[in-house]
Amino acid sequence: KQEVTQIPAALSVPEGENLVLNCSFTDSAIYNLQWFRQDPGKGLTSLLLIQSSQREQTSGRLNASLDKSSGRSTLYIAASQPGDSATYLCAVLNAGNNRKLIWGLGTSLAVNP
Amino acid sequence: DAGVIQSPRHEVTEMGQEVTLRCKPISGHDYLFWYRQTMMRGLELLIYFNNNVPIDDSGMPEDRFSAKMPNASFSTLKIQPSEPRDSAVYFCASSLTTGRNTIYFGEGSWLTVV
Repeated sequence: KQEVTQIPAALSVPEGENLVLNCSFTDSAIYNLQWFRQDPGKGLTSLLLIQSSQREQTSGRLNASLDKSSGRSTLYIAASQPGDSATYLCAVLNAGNNRKLIWGLGTSLAVNP
Repeated sequence: DAGVIQSPRHEVTEMGQEVTLRCKPISGHDYLFWYRQTMMRGLELLIYFNNNVPIDDSGMPEDRFSAKMPNASFSTLKIQPSEPRDSAVYFCASSLTTGRNTIYFGEGSWLTVV
């Protein structure tokens, strides 16, 4: 059974720092992995989607990497800003026909001015 | 497109009452998902539809919960009778068929059962 773990559960950093959020999964037979952002009182917004054949994806100051063999993904945020404060969740889609995403509990990030 | 639209955004109801949550997916999306989010359990998939047909409802907690999708542009999640432990945020999301496409969430329905 696929399990997704995110460490740390919470993180507080000063503005301008580069930071890394971690996501691990137990079954490497995945179709893709996605990183989402959730602001308080809001829904989830997709940030990056990495297919199983890819190693990384980049969007602006965000870079997500995927190492399927070790069951790990990282989300790198460069030059963090207070506007980056949110909860970041990762989710994996297992290989096969099932469309169920398996979710981590998220990392709550606070970027302090 | 306006995105996934959910209503109501907030609902407070008394235990035992029926609750109906509504969702309009993004036009053209053929998958629709209902999720529940709580602090303790995180995001849980309740049920998902493909082309209006329920595919997997194994996440529906019990018979008090039911979901329908009468057409491609509308879905409902009903709880009858509601209980305090049903208090959570309920999200609807939609996506296209291929795995290369991401999933789009509505802003959620915040349910409090007192």
